[in-house]
Amino acid sequence: DSGVTQTPKHLITATGQRVTLRCSPRSGDLSVYWYQQSLDQGLQFLIQYYNGEERAKGNILERFSAQQFPDLHSELNLSSLELGDSALYFCASSPAGQFSTDTQYFGPGTRLTVL
Amino acid sequence: DQQVKQNSPSLSVQEGRISILNCDYTNSMFDYFLWYKKYPAEGPTFLISISSIKDKNEDGRFTVFLNKSAKHLSLHIVPSQPGDSAVYFCAASDFGNEKLTFGTGTRLTIIP
Repeated sequence: DSGVTQTPKHLITATGQRVTLRCSPRSGDLSVYWYQQSLDQGLQFLIQYYNGEERAKGNILERFSAQQFPDLHSELNLSSLELGDSALYFCASSPAGQFSTDTQYFGPGTRLTVL
Repeated sequence: DQQVKQNSPSLSVQEGRISILNCDYTNSMFDYFLWYKKYPAEGPTFLISISSIKDKNEDGRFTVFLNKSAKHLSLHIVPSQPGDSAVYFCAASDFGNEKLTFGTGTRLTIIP
């Protein structure tokens, strides 16, 4: 158990809908990262938040947005869903996120299926 | 543009033998490399890392080798055990940029 929790575990929805994925980082970790893993692909970095502020952005679509709240949990919002958004979405956290050598600890992921 | 490549999607190794997983990268700015292990229905778990100032790092049965001139790293597992059966991801980051760039993974199967 990494200490990172993600809810829900599974989500099935229809095209055009909007969903929210939730992540609680390990106790004391200030940085939260979101990654997407599509079928047979590596994990693709989406976005990072550090202590409530956006710190880095990757290949995140404009239809996707995220935020980190004062209690440090984070939400990833996916809107106008398309079939291609079906994937595993992982959240990770690290202590400070200020150094590339900080180990990132991953949650179990949310499997999103868009029908 | 796949900056981190794991060209072997799968690998089967006899229990007790050495498992060698390979990873190549193209971005010369990468200075920190990690291996993550992933079981089904779980998130990736950090295994071992290496900084670009080193060429080898060892932790128990796991050793990572880095060849900067070839932009290549490898993970050696000796001896391989059935519990090592998992998908292994190579990842890299560059200084001051905490995001990880992952390879597509290699599925390791240890045959009893």
